[in-house]
Amino acid sequence: NAGVTQTPKFQVLKTGQSMTLQCAQDMNHEYMSWYRQDPGMGLRLIHYSVGAGITDQGEVPNGYNVSRSTTEDFPLRLLSAAPSQTSVYFCASSYTGLAGGHNEQFFGPGTRLTVL
Amino acid sequence: AQTVTQSQPEMSVQEAETVTLSCTYDTSENNYYLFWYKQPPSRQMILVIRQEAYKQQNATENRFSVNFQKAAKSFSLKISDSQLGDTAMYFCALNKAAGNKLTFGGGTRVLVKP
Repeated sequence: NAGVTQTPKFQVLKTGQSMTLQCAQDMNHEYMSWYRQDPGMGLRLIHYSVGAGITDQGEVPNGYNVSRSTTEDFPLRLLSAAPSQTSVYFCASSYTGLAGGHNEQFFGPGTRLTVL
Repeated sequence: AQTVTQSQPEMSVQEAETVTLSCTYDTSENNYYLFWYKQPPSRQMILVIRQEAYKQQNATENRFSVNFQKAAKSFSLKISDSQLGDTAMYFCALNKAAGNKLTFGGGTRVLVKP
């Protein structure tokens, strides 16, 4: 299994450009999430999905869109990039344990995004 | 809203010694999960240990153990027999029992010295 994969690993954008960060998992996990990590801080939740066709906002959703058309893929779209979106982006997936409990989230390797 | 606080920005420890990282949290949930993640310079997030709030017994994973105090909302991590490979950022995180929304603390940088 490849686990959680993210592309690209690095990206530089100009203010106002749009792009999509790709995330895929081959573990048949129901849950997928996007986080951002700013320097010296922990990860913050942007958007998450509990299954194909179902998404919801996290703590810092502004400026980002997501969709979940398949179990495997969960792309993150930046519609009009801003310097404040310079960060490292992590995708994660997990499955529910017994009785609705939670097991660990498996993280991708991250994408370092710089917006000039 | 739930919060996680790590009050130690940085800690250093001699190889083979023990270090304890602090974490406090706040949540209105009665059932939840607590995690410690390690982030080495490669930036990969690696699960170190997990604790389910309804379990009284503290979790252990080899050299890593936790002290979970539910009433005090405290969840510290002890690294025993520290190794050079333990050098990394360590994040405490909280997840409600229902949902996949991790809340992270700000992290503690651990440096293991030879």
